[in-house]
Amino acid sequence: DAKTTQPPSMDCAEGRAANLPCNHSTISGNEYVYWYRQIHSQGPQYIIHGLKNNETNEMASLIITEDRKSSTLILPHATLRDTAVYYCIVRGFNKFYFGSGTKLNVKP
Amino acid sequence: DAGVTQSPTHLIKTRGQQVTLRCSPKSGHDTVSWYQQALGQGPQFIFQYYEEEERQRGNFPDRFSGHQFPNYSSELNVNALLLGDSALYLCASSLATGGRWETQYFGPGTRLLVL
Repeated sequence: DAKTTQPPSMDCAEGRAANLPCNHSTISGNEYVYWYRQIHSQGPQYIIHGLKNNETNEMASLIITEDRKSSTLILPHATLRDTAVYYCIVRGFNKFYFGSGTKLNVKP
Repeated sequence: DAGVTQSPTHLIKTRGQQVTLRCSPKSGHDTVSWYQQALGQGPQFIFQYYEEEERQRGNFPDRFSGHQFPNYSSELNVNALLLGDSALYLCASSLATGGRWETQYFGPGTRLLVL
């Protein structure tokens, strides 16, 4: 399974866009990029996923580079409730490998 | 639409004991995966059950075993508990479609403390 690299922590001002980067340079052609977040030891919450194209839903946008070696999760207007650990995952055959994630701190 | 549920929410055991954790998948899902999350770390994949069989397994000893029932619910059993087994145990469910497994949805977890 391809591994991911994320910064350990990031800060973001409330109301501003939060851009969370992820490197997955060993990703295979049929592997999806998934993003989850985990708020204070609750179960991880699904955010979004994609294969090649950029994706958007009600929670976030996912930008995947053309070579698929990296991606960025965008929270367009971060709120204090978005403070969480964000995990970028490359899904191998039906198995998710979680790294250490990025702790996003949204500040007033 | 009920999401993934897990029981119990918290559990305290002593070393050497055995524990059983339970999971009910999200309505319409047929696959259950189990993860262990130690404090300050990301979840680690234990194993996955589909059609009542273990389909994939992570790097965990055979003290960790599981079961899936005909209604797709699942149990995780851990024998001969060690202090290092203290963790949040997460269950995730998904739907198998045409040989692929779709997005996993996680339950709230069971917090296990081994003394």
